[in-house]
Amino acid sequence: QGQLEESGGGVVQPGKSLRLSCAASGFIFNTYGMHWVRQAPGKGLEWVAAISHDGGNTEYLDSVKGRFTISRDNSKNTLYLQMSSLRGDDTALYFCATSSSWYDAFDIWGRGTVVTVSA
Amino acid sequence: EIVLTQSPGTLSLSPGERATLSCRASQSVRNSYLAWYQQRPGQAPRLLIYDASSRATGIPDRFSGSGSGTDFTLTISRLEPEDFAVYYCQQYDGSPPFTFGQGTKLEIK
Repeated sequence: QGQLEESGGGVVQPGKSLRLSCAASGFIFNTYGMHWVRQAPGKGLEWVAAISHDGGNTEYLDSVKGRFTISRDNSKNTLYLQMSSLRGDDTALYFCATSSSWYDAFDIWGRGTVVTVSA
Repeated sequence: EIVLTQSPGTLSLSPGERATLSCRASQSVRNSYLAWYQQRPGQAPRLLIYDASSRATGIPDRFSGSGSGTDFTLTISRLEPEDFAVYYCQQYDGSPPFTFGQGTKLEIK
């Protein structure tokens, strides 16, 4: 059974940067697309970014384009989200999730890591 | 961008009753690329249904999904205590953003 574990969250000031990581195990990482999904406190789920199995294709939510970068290191079975120019509305629990392709549901989820943007 | 609207916002039912949750899309979801997720408090979402009507691995058969085009339904035939949670629909038709509905909270009456 595949597992995902996020790390790297914390409290950061507005305008600063943070990098999240997602360590994968129990499945063939380099055959899966990967996503970041966030959930603001007391709110619903919001897809943030996606990357194809080989890293060749990426997509972003409009509100994070130019500020967030999704990447992966298949040799380390790890997904990343580099976040810069952070704003208060980026405060959320950030989940990583897998999908076999961009035409598939998100079938494995991590437990999430909390990012709080506050002065 | 496809907008998904779930109804009702909150559903109050008793264990043993039948639950019917709705998800309406602002435009047709190609190939019924629609999923349902369950999220219990303090937990990650769990995939229940994919491609509108296929149950994910390990999901009990009291959960079923139906629909196509713009109208989709998640039905829980007989509610168990552990089913009281928040449910989200999501479309993944290959064109980001992969939007979620706002959620339906299923609470114990």
